[in-house]
Formats: sequence, structure tokens, C-alpha cells
Amino acid sequence: KAGVTQTPRYLIKTRGQQVTLSCSPISGHRSVSWYQQTPGQGLQFLFEYFSETQRNKGNFPGRFSGRQFSNSRSEMNVSTLELGDSALYLCASSLLAGGADTQYFGPGTRLTVL
Amino acid sequence: GENVEQHPSTLSVQEGDSAVIKCTYSDSASNYFPWYKQELGKRPQLIIDIRSNVGEKKDQRIAVTLNKTAKHFSLHITETQPEDSAVYFCAASKEGYQKVTFGTGTKLQVIP
Repeated sequence: KAGVTQTPRYLIKTRGQQVTLSCSPISGHRSVSWYQQTPGQGLQFLFEYFSETQRNKGNFPGRFSGRQFSNSRSEMNVSTLELGDSALYLCASSLLAGGADTQYFGPGTRLTVL
Repeated sequence: GENVEQHPSTLSVQEGDSAVIKCTYSDSASNYFPWYKQELGKRPQLIIDIRSNVGEKKDQRIAVTLNKTAKHFSLHITETQPEDSAVYFCAASKEGYQKVTFGTGTKLQVIP
């Protein structure tokens, strides 16, 4: 079974631009969560989608948004990029919603904002 | 909301020694506690998890203990090997709430 995939793997943007990241979950998984990983801050929860519905959202500004499609693929969008948005963005899929199931992570998208 | 604290942030041990990483959580309703290992340049992967109805769980050289009263849980790695070198993350969540809160990570270095 193919693992979680993320595209693109690397992105370089400038301040003020917007970016869209994509995540394809493991086949059959309907839950996709997004995390921001920065040195020293661990994994910060952005949001989770299950069956095209956002079930929970972390403490990030409204510039961070996402969506999920009927095939469970998910996209995350960041508008008006800031230098502090530079990070590794990880998505994770799980079979069940609810936060109490094994999460399978993708390889991440490394975003650099100049 | 839930807050997870993890200590130490870095840990160096000699090969063959044991390593212990500790986490505390704030929400007494949390009932699922996974541990993830992230090797350099790779994605986090689940290595062991424990639910609140269990006090201890073992898988070969890895064990996790949970003290619900004190709201802390620990990862124990025995007979450490160089391939155990990685960043380890603890996490806490409660079933039905969709949000997993991670600790800030422990960088474990096993010295050959």
C-alpha cells in the first residue's frame, strides 16, 4: 500500500505571496491532519479534515486554510506569506477520525520564505 | 487546551545503556499517548502507543509507562543502539477530539 505523499517537496517563496501544498493520504484513510514543524517547537497542529469537513483547528492565523476533496486528498493554503512561515509542513493520514488512531506522516514540504 | 511538556530536550547515552524520556500532559481527559520517532531528514513514525486503560506496554527494547494520577508518561529504551539516534516526540489526545498535541521533542544521541 502506498504511503502518504506530499507535493511539492520544496518551495521557495517571497513575503506576501501565497502557497498551496498538497497531501495524498494512504488509500482508504479519510482523516488528514496538517502540522507545522520548526526547530525547537516540535509539531504544531494546524487542522484536521475528515470526509471533507474540517473537524478541528489549531492556533494559527486565518492566513492558513485548508480543504479536503472527495477522494480524501487535502490541500493547505497559506496566504500573504511571512518570514516566520518558513518551516517543514507535514501532513498525516489516519483511518479513523478522532485523534486516537495511528497517524502516518508524509515526507513533508519544506517551505522557505525570503 | 491540552499542553504537553517533554524532557529532556537532548539526551546522550552510551551504546548499551538505557534512555528515558518523560512527558507530562495537562488535560486529564486525554486517553491516547503515542510516541513517534523521527530520524534525520525523515518523517515521524509511530514506535509505540498506550491508552489510558493500560499502565505499561512493551515492544522488544521499547516500553511506555503511564501514570494517570500524576498525568505523566515515559518512554524507556533499553540496550540502546546507534540506530536509536533520532528525535522522539510524545503526544497526547482524547478520542473524539481530532487534535493531537505533541511535545517539543527529545534528540537522542547514542554514542558507539
